Amino acid sequence: GDSVTQMEGPVTLSEEAFLTINCTYTATGYPSLFWYVQYPGEGLQLLLKATKADDKGSNKGFEATYRKETTSFHLEKGSVQVSDSAVYFCAQDSGGSNYKLTFGKGTLLTVNP
Amino acid sequence: DAGITQSPRHKVTETGTPVTLRCHQTENHRYMYWYRQDPGHGLRLIHYSYGVKDTDKGEVSDGYSVSRSKTEDFLLTLESATSSQTSVYFCAISESRGMYNEQFFGPGTRLTVL
Repeated sequence: GDSVTQMEGPVTLSEEAFLTINCTYTATGYPSLFWYVQYPGEGLQLLLKATKADDKGSNKGFEATYRKETTSFHLEKGSVQVSDSAVYFCAQDSGGSNYKLTFGKGTLLTVNP
Repeated sequence: DAGITQSPRHKVTETGTPVTLRCHQTENHRYMYWYRQDPGHGLRLIHYSYGVKDTDKGEVSDGYSVSRSKTEDFLLTLESATSSQTSVYFCAISESRGMYNEQFFGPGTRLTVL
């Protein structure tokens, strides 16, 4: 079945460092791809998405590009802040009519001042 | 904010007891989902619903049942709780955005089974 593999971390960075969190997927066809973020003590919320090959999703300084040829959707940010400390989940949709998502295992990011 | 609440927010129970978690939404969404979140496993789908009385299993459904007798409520029941069901449980709804659907999550229920 479908699966999503992402860097498990934890990742610890200093403020203003560059961030990359790798994500690859295995679905056939053309799934929509997502990054969700979970701040401490909260549920997940959508950070960005891409619905077709070569799309770039972006939000709050984060970016990810849908690469069909490498089945990847890596998350990047040029200069992280302490407030970016959270768990980040890569996800893909199932392509079916029930809009189910398959999530990666999550990557804990800690940004130190 | 998709108007999703979960109750209770925290629960401690004994092995072998039944437990019901409630997810309530206020915006008439058709699709609802129950996930569990565990370290090293991310989020895994337990059950989902695509309408009143229409439900189906996810990847980790053993030991869980669900019911949806009205649009706004989706109940998750552990008939006889086990320690392996200690987890954080999230409910979600799905909302159309045209080319994709976005899932919105509730605040979670932390369940401890002793």
